[in-house]
Amino acid sequence: AAGVIQSPRHLIKEKRETATLKCYPIPRHDTVYWYQQGPGQDPQFLISFYEKMQSDKGSIPDRFSAQQFSDYHSELNMSSLELGDSALYFCASSLTLYQETQYFGPGTRLLVL
Amino acid sequence: SQQGEEDPQALSIQEGENATMNCSYKTSINNLQWYRQNSGRGLVHLILIRSNEREKHSGRLRVTLDTSKKSSSLLITASRAADTASYFCATAPRSEKLVFGKGTKLTVNP
Repeated sequence: AAGVIQSPRHLIKEKRETATLKCYPIPRHDTVYWYQQGPGQDPQFLISFYEKMQSDKGSIPDRFSAQQFSDYHSELNMSSLELGDSALYFCASSLTLYQETQYFGPGTRLLVL
Repeated sequence: SQQGEEDPQALSIQEGENATMNCSYKTSINNLQWYRQNSGRGLVHLILIRSNEREKHSGRLRVTLDTSKKSSSLLITASRAADTASYFCATAPRSEKLVFGKGTKLTVNP
């Protein structure tokens, strides 16, 4: 069965640079969630989209923005990167907004030097 | 503050033994879910238990939920070395975003 696809899987950036993370949800899933997991930490919710509209917002810095496109894939744009942004970034998708189970992608490991 | 808190933080057992992990949460919930994460990898959904359920089984997994105590437990029976991973409980207070606990790091020694 198709799973959530994230790209790139690994990314190394310098401070103050910009990064774009991509997420392709499971086919027919219209809801996408982004989570950030710091080293040794639990995943923290960043933002979610349903039918191309933002549905909820968590602890996402103002330097970050995201959107969901017409084909339901989503991109997380991160600007003015800081050392503390180094983390695993997960995307998850669900069949629809109040579908309980979220299916997670393999994550993008971002390292900011 | 965290919605879910797991204990213990780390658990080391021998293959064949049972592993029990506990999770406590703070607010009312619609459901509680358990996820597994191998080191630095993605989160794999294990089981979901709804607020009106008390116990649920899936293979070697048994989950209980006590809404009066705002707690849940995950039992893995007859553990295997391949069960070595971190286990997180997650709640969905508003049925959208998941709020994860700190996780229990389970090591199953062969």
